[in-house]
Amino acid sequence: QKEVEQNSGPLSVPEGAIASLNCTYSDRGSQSFFWYRQYSGKSPELIMFIYSNGDKEDGRFTAQLNKASQYVSLLIRDSQPSDSATYLCAVNGDAGGTSYGKLTFGQGTILTVHP
Amino acid sequence: DGGITQSPKYLFRKEGQNVTLSCEQNLNHDAMYWYRQDPGQGLRLIYYSQIVNDFQKGDIAEGYSVSREKKESFPLTVTSAQKNPTAFYLCASSIRGRKQFFGPGTRLTVL
Repeated sequence: QKEVEQNSGPLSVPEGAIASLNCTYSDRGSQSFFWYRQYSGKSPELIMFIYSNGDKEDGRFTAQLNKASQYVSLLIRDSQPSDSATYLCAVNGDAGGTSYGKLTFGQGTILTVHP
Repeated sequence: DGGITQSPKYLFRKEGQNVTLSCEQNLNHDAMYWYRQDPGQGLRLIYYSQIVNDFQKGDIAEGYSVSREKKESFPLTVTSAQKNPTAFYLCASSIRGRKQFFGPGTRLTVL
């Protein structure tokens, strides 16, 4: 059973701080990794994706991937109250396997940014 | 406008009824997916389809059925065999193996 685990949360940070969200995965063959943001009662919205080891930055968001440690993280700089949401980590199946194209989701981390 | 539409937004089912949730996309994506989300939980895959006229079971397919007769459409039927169907149902589409985009969801409640 392929698993994706996220830090349990909830995570509360003050406005302007850096929020750090973490995710580990069990399938060593996974090739692509995604972060979705989900506001209460809404559907998930893709905010970051990363395929290669290292960092990928997009505005206030940075995704970090370490395939050797099977670890992916999302950093949100200058956190705003509007960033308060549930963040879902998702991992794609092994490109050489039958599960390619299937995403496995973590249970989500609730982030609250307080003024 | 390109995107994914789901209907209805809210659906109420009586015991023993089958209900069908609609999902349509005009993104020209080959792959489509159905997920279920329970309160405070992540998403669990019900069924997925990588190509027209073909689909595979996900992790929780029991009590559900799908069809994929057109590239744009991937309806999900929740049958009476699904004993606990109250949940938020999400449809997604993608180019195979790439980023998945979600529709707005259907919230199903059993009366």
